[in-house]
Amino acid sequence: DTGVSQDPRHKITKRGQNVTFRCDPISEHNRLYWYRQTLGQGPEFLTYFQNEAQLEKSRLLSDRFSAERPKGSFSTLEIQRTEQGDSAMYLCASSLIWADTSYEQYFGPGTRLTVT
Amino acid sequence: AQKITQTQPGMFVQEKEAVTLDCTYDTSDPSYGLFWYKQPSSGEMIFLIYQGSYDQQNATEGRYSLNFQKARKSANLVISASQLGDSAMYFCAMRGMDSSYKLIFGSGTRLLVRP
Repeated sequence: DTGVSQDPRHKITKRGQNVTFRCDPISEHNRLYWYRQTLGQGPEFLTYFQNEAQLEKSRLLSDRFSAERPKGSFSTLEIQRTEQGDSAMYLCASSLIWADTSYEQYFGPGTRLTVT
Repeated sequence: AQKITQTQPGMFVQEKEAVTLDCTYDTSDPSYGLFWYKQPSSGEMIFLIYQGSYDQQNATEGRYSLNFQKARKSANLVISASQLGDSAMYFCAMRGMDSSYKLIFGSGTRLLVRP
């Protein structure tokens, strides 16, 4: 399978604990995006990487959130001191960006986080 | 600011009939892209169709077509010959022309196909 993969698919944690999610993009894709989707809503942009550089962070990404993409391959999203409001589906997407083409983002299956 | 509006929280359609899912958008960018994604209960977002703002013809992909009316700022998705497997959430999204190419999504429409 050469699609975008995410791990874990589901995570239940207690308030105050730290959690880390992993995303493996399609291998040749240079862009990686993180989105958050709460119940009944569309996904909202959190942050994105071009290769290993994190180029933009949404205001939704509080100081408790940190994302990395070492060596421009997989990415991790860590949430420290989780709160109940962090409960959501966290989606990862990748794309191949050239100068004037490539627009489609390929999404992974998501990680569903439940904070109790 | 860019915004996507989907005013139909839920829709029903009879199997084998066509259905139109509405999407309106707002942007000040002269160049933009519009997408439709399908999200089954499994959670994965599946790309369906894309329309560029300068494309002269409406996009089509198999049973999916996009009814693009630029002056009205609408980009409705038409699904022809509905199948039971089409039951899912459908999201309209926009990509602006800033360098991030991030997607702005609407709130979605849940489509249920009746046998």
